[in-house]
Amino acid sequence: GEDVEQSLFLSVREGDSSVINCTYTDSSSTYLYWYKQEPGAGLQLLTYIFSNMDMKQDQRLTVLLNKKDKHLSLRIADTQTGDSAIYFCAAYKAAGNKLTFGGGTRVLVKP
Amino acid sequence: KAGVTQTPRYLIKTRGQQVTLSCSPISGHRSVSWYQQTPGQGLQFLFEYFSETQRNKGNFPGRFSGRQFSNSRSEMNVSTLELGDSALYLCASSLGGVRDEQYFGPGTRLTVT
Repeated sequence: GEDVEQSLFLSVREGDSSVINCTYTDSSSTYLYWYKQEPGAGLQLLTYIFSNMDMKQDQRLTVLLNKKDKHLSLRIADTQTGDSAIYFCAAYKAAGNKLTFGGGTRVLVKP
Repeated sequence: KAGVTQTPRYLIKTRGQQVTLSCSPISGHRSVSWYQQTPGQGLQFLFEYFSETQRNKGNFPGRFSGRQFSNSRSEMNVSTLELGDSALYLCASSLGGVRDEQYFGPGTRLTVT
Protein backbone atom coordinates (compact mmCIF):
# COMPACT_ATOMS: atom_id res chain seq x y z
CA GLY A 1 0.00 0.00 0.00
CA GLU A 2 0.87 3.66 -0.07
CA ASP A 3 3.37 4.98 2.46
CA VAL A 4 3.68 8.69 3.13
CA GLU A 5 6.65 9.85 5.17
CA GLN A 6 7.46 13.18 6.78
CA SER A 7 10.11 14.44 9.14
CA LEU A 8 8.87 14.84 12.69
CA PHE A 9 9.89 18.33 13.64
CA LEU A 10 10.93 21.69 12.19
CA SER A 11 12.00 24.78 14.09
CA VAL A 12 12.11 28.12 12.30
CA ARG A 13 12.55 31.79 13.21
CA GLU A 14 9.68 34.20 12.69
CA GLY A 15 10.04 35.92 9.32
CA ASP A 16 12.12 33.13 7.78
CA SER A 17 10.85 30.63 5.23
CA SER A 18 9.87 27.13 6.31
CA VAL A 19 10.13 24.11 4.07
CA ILE A 20 8.29 20.93 5.04
CA ASN A 21 9.11 17.80 3.08
CA CYS A 22 7.12 14.68 2.29
CA THR A 23 7.79 11.54 0.31
CA TYR A 24 5.27 9.02 -0.96
CA THR A 25 5.69 5.62 -2.51
CA ASP A 26 2.81 5.14 -4.94
CA SER A 27 3.44 6.85 -8.25
CA SER A 28 -0.24 6.48 -9.20
CA SER A 29 -1.25 9.03 -6.57
CA THR A 30 -3.13 11.72 -8.43
CA TYR A 31 -3.76 14.39 -5.81
CA LEU A 32 -1.40 15.48 -3.06
CA TYR A 33 -2.54 17.62 -0.17
CA TRP A 34 -1.24 19.68 2.70
CA TYR A 35 -3.36 19.93 5.83
CA LYS A 36 -2.69 21.96 8.99
CA GLN A 37 -3.71 20.97 12.50
CA GLU A 38 -3.65 23.50 15.31
CA PRO A 39 -3.80 22.42 18.97
CA GLY A 40 -7.21 21.11 19.97
CA ALA A 41 -8.59 21.32 16.46
CA GLY A 42 -9.22 19.10 13.48
CA LEU A 43 -7.28 19.33 10.24
CA GLN A 44 -7.71 22.17 7.80
CA LEU A 45 -6.89 21.89 4.11
CA LEU A 46 -4.19 24.40 3.13
CA THR A 47 -3.61 23.53 -0.47
CA TYR A 48 -3.38 20.64 -2.90
CA ILE A 49 -1.64 19.87 -6.16
CA PHE A 50 -2.60 17.62 -9.01
CA SER A 51 0.05 15.15 -10.07
CA ASN A 52 0.50 16.67 -13.53
CA MET A 53 1.67 19.95 -11.97
CA ASP A 54 5.16 20.81 -10.75
CA MET A 55 4.36 23.80 -8.66
CA LYS A 56 1.45 25.67 -7.15
CA GLN A 57 1.57 29.01 -5.39
CA ASP A 58 -1.10 30.39 -3.11
CA GLN A 59 -0.17 33.59 -1.26
CA ARG A 60 2.57 32.63 1.23
CA LEU A 61 2.37 28.93 0.34
CA THR A 62 4.32 27.24 -2.45
CA VAL A 63 3.94 23.56 -3.19
CA LEU A 64 6.61 21.79 -5.21
CA LEU A 65 6.11 18.32 -6.63
CA ASN A 66 8.91 16.14 -7.97
CA LYS A 67 6.97 13.27 -9.42
CA LYS A 68 10.07 11.34 -10.47
CA ASP A 69 11.38 11.25 -6.90
CA LYS A 70 7.85 11.15 -5.39
CA HIS A 71 8.75 14.13 -3.27
CA LEU A 72 6.42 16.89 -2.19
CA SER A 73 7.33 20.04 -0.31
CA LEU A 74 5.47 22.95 1.24
CA ARG A 75 7.23 26.26 1.56
CA ILE A 76 5.78 28.90 3.85
CA ALA A 77 7.19 32.36 3.20
CA ASP A 78 7.56 34.91 6.01
CA THR A 79 6.63 32.36 8.67
CA GLN A 80 4.56 33.76 11.53
CA THR A 81 3.97 32.47 15.08
CA GLY A 82 0.44 31.58 13.99
CA ASP A 83 1.96 29.07 11.58
CA SER A 84 3.06 26.92 14.53
CA ALA A 85 1.08 23.71 14.06
CA ILE A 86 1.32 20.15 12.78
CA TYR A 87 1.37 19.86 9.01
CA PHE A 88 0.22 16.70 7.28
CA CYS A 89 0.76 15.72 3.70
CA ALA A 90 -1.62 13.24 2.14
CA ALA A 91 -1.72 11.31 -1.12
CA TYR A 92 -4.87 10.26 -2.96
CA LYS A 93 -5.10 7.25 -5.23
CA ALA A 94 -8.17 6.73 -7.41
CA ALA A 95 -7.82 2.95 -7.40
CA GLY A 96 -9.40 2.07 -4.11
CA ASN A 97 -10.47 5.71 -3.56
CA LYS A 98 -7.82 5.91 -0.90
CA LEU A 99 -6.33 8.89 0.92
CA THR A 100 -3.19 8.21 2.98
CA PHE A 101 -1.78 10.70 5.47
CA GLY A 102 1.81 11.13 6.53
CA GLY A 103 2.71 11.16 10.22
CA GLY A 104 2.77 14.94 10.41
CA THR A 105 5.56 17.51 10.90
CA ARG A 106 5.38 19.67 13.98
CA VAL A 107 6.49 23.20 13.09
CA LEU A 108 7.58 25.52 15.87
CA VAL A 109 8.02 29.18 15.01
CA LYS A 110 10.30 31.07 17.39
CA PRO A 111 9.99 34.85 17.79
CA LYS B 1 -21.95 27.90 7.34
CA ALA B 2 -21.78 25.74 10.45
CA GLY B 3 -18.76 23.47 10.64
CA VAL B 4 -18.50 19.78 11.37
CA THR B 5 -19.57 18.98 14.90
CA GLN B 6 -18.62 15.95 16.93
CA THR B 7 -20.12 14.76 20.17
CA PRO B 8 -19.07 14.14 22.78
CA ARG B 9 -15.76 16.00 22.83
CA TYR B 10 -14.28 13.91 25.62
CA LEU B 11 -15.09 10.45 26.82
CA ILE B 12 -13.64 8.10 29.41
CA LYS B 13 -14.55 4.44 29.20
CA THR B 14 -13.44 1.21 30.79
CA ARG B 15 -11.93 -1.78 28.97
CA GLY B 16 -14.62 -4.07 27.63
CA GLN B 17 -17.28 -1.37 27.31
CA GLN B 18 -18.60 -0.04 24.05
CA VAL B 19 -18.84 3.52 22.82
CA THR B 20 -20.73 5.47 20.17
CA LEU B 21 -19.39 8.69 18.70
CA SER B 22 -21.44 11.08 16.61
CA CYS B 23 -20.58 13.38 13.72
CA SER B 24 -22.77 16.00 12.07
CA PRO B 25 -21.38 17.06 8.69
CA ILE B 26 -21.61 20.40 6.99
CA SER B 27 -25.02 20.90 5.42
CA GLY B 28 -25.06 19.52 1.89
CA HIS B 29 -22.06 17.24 2.38
CA ARG B 30 -22.85 13.62 1.64
CA SER B 31 -19.49 12.06 2.46
CA VAL B 32 -18.35 11.45 6.01
CA SER B 33 -15.00 9.86 6.84
CA TRP B 34 -13.64 8.77 10.20
CA TYR B 35 -10.03 8.77 11.30
CA GLN B 36 -8.17 7.61 14.38
CA GLN B 37 -5.27 9.81 15.50
CA THR B 38 -2.67 8.54 17.97
CA PRO B 39 0.87 9.72 18.73
CA GLY B 40 2.32 6.38 17.68
CA GLN B 41 0.33 5.55 14.54
CA GLY B 42 -0.54 9.03 13.34
CA LEU B 43 -3.74 9.54 11.37
CA GLN B 44 -5.33 6.32 10.23
CA PHE B 45 -8.40 5.99 8.04
CA LEU B 46 -11.29 4.04 9.55
CA PHE B 47 -14.09 4.24 6.99
CA GLU B 48 -16.00 6.51 4.64
CA TYR B 49 -19.74 6.74 4.19
CA PHE B 50 -21.51 8.31 1.26
CA SER B 51 -25.29 8.51 1.02
CA GLU B 52 -25.71 5.94 3.81
CA THR B 53 -23.38 3.39 2.20
CA GLN B 54 -19.94 2.44 3.42
CA ARG B 55 -17.73 3.14 0.45
CA ASN B 56 -14.33 2.37 1.88
CA LYS B 57 -12.84 0.80 4.98
CA GLY B 58 -9.43 0.97 6.57
CA ASN B 59 -7.48 -1.76 8.26
CA PHE B 60 -9.27 -1.96 11.60
CA PRO B 61 -10.84 -4.94 13.37
CA GLY B 62 -14.57 -5.61 13.17
CA ARG B 63 -15.02 -4.04 16.62
CA PHE B 64 -15.02 -0.73 14.77
CA SER B 65 -18.21 -0.07 12.87
CA GLY B 66 -20.15 2.88 11.61
CA ARG B 67 -23.27 4.02 9.91
CA GLN B 68 -24.70 7.04 8.19
CA PHE B 69 -28.24 8.30 8.38
CA SER B 70 -30.39 9.82 5.65
CA ASN B 71 -29.51 13.33 6.88
CA SER B 72 -25.80 12.45 6.41
CA ARG B 73 -25.11 12.42 10.14
CA SER B 74 -22.81 9.56 11.02
CA GLU B 75 -22.01 7.48 14.05
CA MET B 76 -19.13 5.18 14.76
CA ASN B 77 -19.19 2.45 17.33
CA VAL B 78 -16.36 0.64 19.05
CA SER B 79 -17.27 -2.50 20.95
CA THR B 80 -15.22 -4.35 23.56
CA LEU B 81 -12.90 -1.41 24.12
CA GLU B 82 -9.17 -2.01 24.55
CA LEU B 83 -6.56 0.27 26.08
CA GLY B 84 -5.08 0.77 22.61
CA ASP B 85 -8.32 2.34 21.41
CA SER B 86 -7.47 5.48 23.37
CA ALA B 87 -7.14 8.12 20.68
CA LEU B 88 -8.55 11.24 19.11
CA TYR B 89 -11.30 10.26 16.69
CA LEU B 90 -11.78 12.74 13.89
CA CYS B 91 -14.57 12.88 11.40
CA ALA B 92 -14.45 14.83 8.18
CA SER B 93 -17.15 15.73 5.71
CA SER B 94 -16.95 16.63 2.04
CA LEU B 95 -19.19 17.03 -0.95
CA GLY B 96 -18.14 14.00 -2.92
CA GLY B 97 -15.54 12.00 -1.03
CA VAL B 98 -12.01 11.85 0.34
CA ARG B 99 -10.56 13.35 -2.85
CA ASP B 100 -12.50 16.56 -2.30
CA GLU B 101 -11.64 19.15 0.32
CA GLN B 102 -12.43 17.55 3.63
CA TYR B 103 -13.65 19.63 6.56
CA PHE B 104 -12.65 18.15 9.86
CA GLY B 105 -14.42 18.33 13.17
CA PRO B 106 -12.51 19.03 16.40
CA GLY B 107 -12.54 15.35 17.31
CA THR B 108 -13.65 13.19 20.22
CA ARG B 109 -10.90 12.37 22.71
CA LEU B 110 -11.52 8.81 23.93
CA THR B 111 -9.62 7.51 26.93
CA VAL B 112 -9.92 3.83 27.80
CA THR B 113 -8.88 2.85 31.32
